[in-house]
Amino acid sequence: DGGITQSPKYLFRKEGQNVTLSCEQNLNHDAMYWYRQDPGQGLRLIYYSQIVNDFQKGDIAEGYSVSREKKESFPLTVTSAQKNPTAFYLCASSELLTVGEQFFGPGTRLTVL
Amino acid sequence: AQKITQTQPGMFVQEKEAVTLDCTYDTSDQSYGLFWYKQPSSGEMIFLIYQGSYDEQNATEGRYSLNFQKARKSANLVISASQLGDSAMYFCAMREGGYSTLTFGKGTMLLVSP
Repeated sequence: DGGITQSPKYLFRKEGQNVTLSCEQNLNHDAMYWYRQDPGQGLRLIYYSQIVNDFQKGDIAEGYSVSREKKESFPLTVTSAQKNPTAFYLCASSELLTVGEQFFGPGTRLTVL
Repeated sequence: AQKITQTQPGMFVQEKEAVTLDCTYDTSDQSYGLFWYKQPSSGEMIFLIYQGSYDEQNATEGRYSLNFQKARKSANLVISASQLGDSAMYFCAMREGGYSTLTFGKGTMLLVSP
């Protein structure tokens, strides 16, 4: 089955530690995205990538980093510079030359203690 | 100014009734797309329906339809014959111009009662 996988579902880290969230897709989509969702809020774009080895900052990129070494993979690192990292993180992917609806993974809930 | 505004934090509807979830948007682009997503309590985001700015007909997908009023910049989601499984958060989103990124509203929580 084609889709997007994110692991793990729940993640706990101590304050000051970097943590990497995994996102893999087998939909052969060119574009991939990372969003952050806080309680009662909509999704806010962190980073996105439309092609391998290239990515752009979204609205709230500070304290985060990404890489896109393979088309299928777009890991997100939450660094110690992110002041309030506890949130629900969603990864998505889309084609570029169509309607462009984004398909989402199941999300990772990060809690920093 | 917010690009996507969803003014209803929560909505209640009885099973089998229709419900309208409001969405207004703000853009100066002539070419744009509007999307609705459903987010159940599990957290996954499920794509429901899409409306392009040049589409003359309102989009429909099964029990979902999009009431697109371009002059008023509104793109309301209509769910007909509500089911208990429709209880979820609903988000309106917009893609502008040639960009692939989406801007999301803050969402509306829909509760369907028996």
